[in-house]
Amino acid sequence: GNSVTQMEGPVTLSEEAFLTINCTYTATGYPSLFWYVQYPGEGLQLLLKATKADDKGSNKGFEATYRKETTSFHLEKGSVQVSDSAVYFCALLDSGGGADGLTFGKGTHLIIQP
Amino acid sequence: DAGITQSPRYKITETGRQVTLMCHQTWSHSYMFWYRQDLGHGLRLIYYSAAADITDKGEVPDGYVVSRSKTENFPLTLESATRSQTSVYFCASRETRQRTTDTQYFGPGTRLTVL
Repeated sequence: GNSVTQMEGPVTLSEEAFLTINCTYTATGYPSLFWYVQYPGEGLQLLLKATKADDKGSNKGFEATYRKETTSFHLEKGSVQVSDSAVYFCALLDSGGGADGLTFGKGTHLIIQP
Repeated sequence: DAGITQSPRYKITETGRQVTLMCHQTWSHSYMFWYRQDLGHGLRLIYYSAAADITDKGEVPDGYVVSRSKTENFPLTLESATRSQTSVYFCASRETRQRTTDTQYFGPGTRLTVL
């Protein structure tokens, strides 16, 4: 079956530090990959996505590249801000059959200190 | 305001009671989803619906019932609540069948506590 593995944290960084959150996946078909962000007390918001191998998704200074050879979709940002503190979820949606919902990782809690 | 809303936002109930969580979207999206969020598990799919009167099970459907008589509403019912159903429940919607390219939009969540 499909699965997503990501570091759970919490990950604590200082403001302006470089961020990497690792995400690897297992899928039976050719998935699309997503990063969602959840701010305290809120629902999930799509941060970025990539629908095929070698695509790079980017938004708000965050980037992630779809690496089929390593089955990875690591999230990066060059200089984090306190406002980036949130829980980040890596997710996939398989192009094959089966349930139509997203498969999520367990989430990474990111804390940015001023 | 347009978007996806859930009600109630917080609910406390007792074991054995029936509880219904409401989800409403104003976009006329075809697809709607229910997920539960638990510490250490991320989000897991409970049920989804491709259109009115079409529903299907997800990863963790046991103990839940859904219906979709109207495109914009997708209620989730716990017929006899158990403590293991204490969780945060998220509703989501997606516009079309383009599952790998369209975005799923999430509601704000309902925090349910079963005593």
